[in-house]
Amino acid sequence: KQEVTQIPAALSVPEGENLVLNCSFTDSAIYNLQWFRQDPGKGLTSLLLIQSSQREQTSGRLNASLDKSSGRSTLYIAASQPGDSATYLCAVLGISNTGKLIFGQGTTLQVKP
Amino acid sequence: DVKVTQSSRYLVKRTGEKVFLECVQDMDHENMFWYRQDPGLGLRLIYFSYDVKMKEKGDIPEGYSVSREKKERFSLILESASTNQTSMYLCASSFLLNEKLFFGSGTQLSVL
Repeated sequence: KQEVTQIPAALSVPEGENLVLNCSFTDSAIYNLQWFRQDPGKGLTSLLLIQSSQREQTSGRLNASLDKSSGRSTLYIAASQPGDSATYLCAVLGISNTGKLIFGQGTTLQVKP
Repeated sequence: DVKVTQSSRYLVKRTGEKVFLECVQDMDHENMFWYRQDPGLGLRLIYFSYDVKMKEKGDIPEGYSVSREKKERFSLILESASTNQTSMYLCASSFLLNEKLFFGSGTQLSVL
């Protein structure tokens, strides 16, 4: 059974720092991995999607990498800003779980001015 | 931009009531999903649908049913609401199963 883990559960950094959020998964047989952002009391917004054949995806200050063999993904945020404060979730679409994204518990990020 | 609209932002219902949560997407997406999100438990899939009138159980379908009569609309039904169904309900859609998932803003349901 696929399990997705995100460590740490919470992170607080000063503005301007570069930071890395971690995601690990137990079954490497995946179609893709997505990173989402969630603001308090709101829905999720898809940030980046990495297909299983890809190693990384970039969007602005965000870069996500995927190492399928080791069951790991990282989300790199460059030059963090207070507006980046949110919960970040990763989710994997497993080959054996048709249509079912499996989510991690998320990392809550606070960027202090 | 894809828009996924959930009919209510906040909802308060009584135990035993029948509750309808509506979700509409405007991008002709094939797949639609209902999740619930609870502190400490994360997001859990209730039901999903990959075509009109088609539905598949997710991980926690008990106490829920769904309806998809039109491609753009996916309804979640709580047949007899209970207090343990108090939660944030999130609807999502995608064109293909291996493409980006788009979420609505969520419905915070309280069952008293």
